[in-house]
Amino acid sequence: AQSVTQLDSQVPVFEEAPVELRCNYSSSVSVYLFWYVQYPNQGLQLLLKYLSGSTLVKGINGFEAEFNKSQTSFHLRKPSVHISDTAEYFCAVSDSVYGGSQGNLIFGKGTKLSVKP
Amino acid sequence: NAGVTQTPKFQVLKTGQSMTLQCAQDMNHNSMYWYRQDPGMGLRLIYYSASEGTTDKGEVPNGYNVSRLNKREFSLRLESAAPSQTSVYFCASSSTDSTDTQYFGPGTRLTVL
Repeated sequence: AQSVTQLDSQVPVFEEAPVELRCNYSSSVSVYLFWYVQYPNQGLQLLLKYLSGSTLVKGINGFEAEFNKSQTSFHLRKPSVHISDTAEYFCAVSDSVYGGSQGNLIFGKGTKLSVKP
Repeated sequence: NAGVTQTPKFQVLKTGQSMTLQCAQDMNHNSMYWYRQDPGMGLRLIYYSASEGTTDKGEVPNGYNVSRLNKREFSLRLESAAPSQTSVYFCASSSTDSTDTQYFGPGTRLTVL
């Protein structure tokens, strides 16, 4: 079965500093990978996704992620964070590769990013 | 275009009471999902519906039932609520394609006393 591990439950960082949120997945087949963001008291929204092709994926709000097949990782990065980036970030993998095209997602446990002035 | 809507936003129940959480989407999506979110646990899939007329169990289906009323609506029912069902519940929708984005509703915060 596929699984997702987010290595840090909380990441505090100062405004304008760079940040990396780590995500590792387990799968023996090709995967589709996603990062979602949840702002306080809201639902989740998509930041970016990797389906195929270029391993560097750019998303909204200046975030990007790099797919590394050999390390089974999909880390999220931003070169300079803002106070408004304070949120919880979820890495997810699609479990559809074993049959059919149903897009069920398996989520990691989340990383809370706290940006301080 | 409201996206995914959920009602109610908040609910407090006593142990043993029943209730139905409502979800509707206006994006003509085939697939709909119910998740629960608990602190430190991420999101866990309760049930999903790949298309109108079909429903399937997810990771944590015990204590819940669902109905895909039509293409737009997907409801989640708790027949006899338990304190362990205290959680935030999210509905989501997407096209059936596994590459598609899931769109989430704002959530229902449920407390079972």
